[in-house]
Amino acid sequence: QSALTQPASVSGSPGQSITISCTGTSSDIGGYNYVSWYQQHPGKAPKLMIYDVSNRPSGVSYRFSGSKSGNTASLTISGLQAEDEADYYCSSYTSSNTRVFGGGTKLTVL
Amino acid sequence: EVQLVESGGGLVQPGGSLRLSCAASGFTFSNYWMHWVRQAPGKGLMWVSRINTDGSATIYADSVKGRFTISRDNAKSTLYLQMNSLRAEDTAVYYCVRPITGTMNAFDIWGQGTMVTVSS
Repeated sequence: QSALTQPASVSGSPGQSITISCTGTSSDIGGYNYVSWYQQHPGKAPKLMIYDVSNRPSGVSYRFSGSKSGNTASLTISGLQAEDEADYYCSSYTSSNTRVFGGGTKLTVL
Repeated sequence: EVQLVESGGGLVQPGGSLRLSCAASGFTFSNYWMHWVRQAPGKGLMWVSRINTDGSATIYADSVKGRFTISRDNAKSTLYLQMNSLRAEDTAVYYCVRPITGTMNAFDIWGQGTMVTVSS
């Protein structure tokens, strides 16, 4: 199972919005509405930010939103804040009944 | 407080074995499918394995199939990962993870991770 494709890095200024893409295939992202996104700060365990494409867990800021079109999912962060600087990973259920992660995207807040 | 605490990591030689444990607390462990996810130093996340609630169904990533075995003891609220024939590329932090209630496909509870280093 190949990893999902994410850009290595994205950046934005405080207050701006950024979008991170995550591209898979019809056997994972395109076939199921089971895309999730995780935020990871250095030395910490990942934190769930979005599940089932666009749902936010309790306690996650409304500034984080998710969507999907075909084989590509996206995470949008609006009103960028310094604390949003972190690594972000997408994940999907697959037709093999496994899970697959993206390679990760480093978000820099300028 | 809902919590997962991994243990059992360490330094092991190539070809060696190690068993990781994950102690769960604060929730009804036997109600949840459980997973292992790993992260090599400086690299991304990789899903490793999943087990269903009673341990009767398991599945593995291709890279660990035949070498790793996931199991659980619901009476002890503990998840295990037996790792055999270890390779240098298995070096990683291993996380025990629980899916968010209501879906089996996203992980809202993560342990702190346990480091496994495979080196001679």
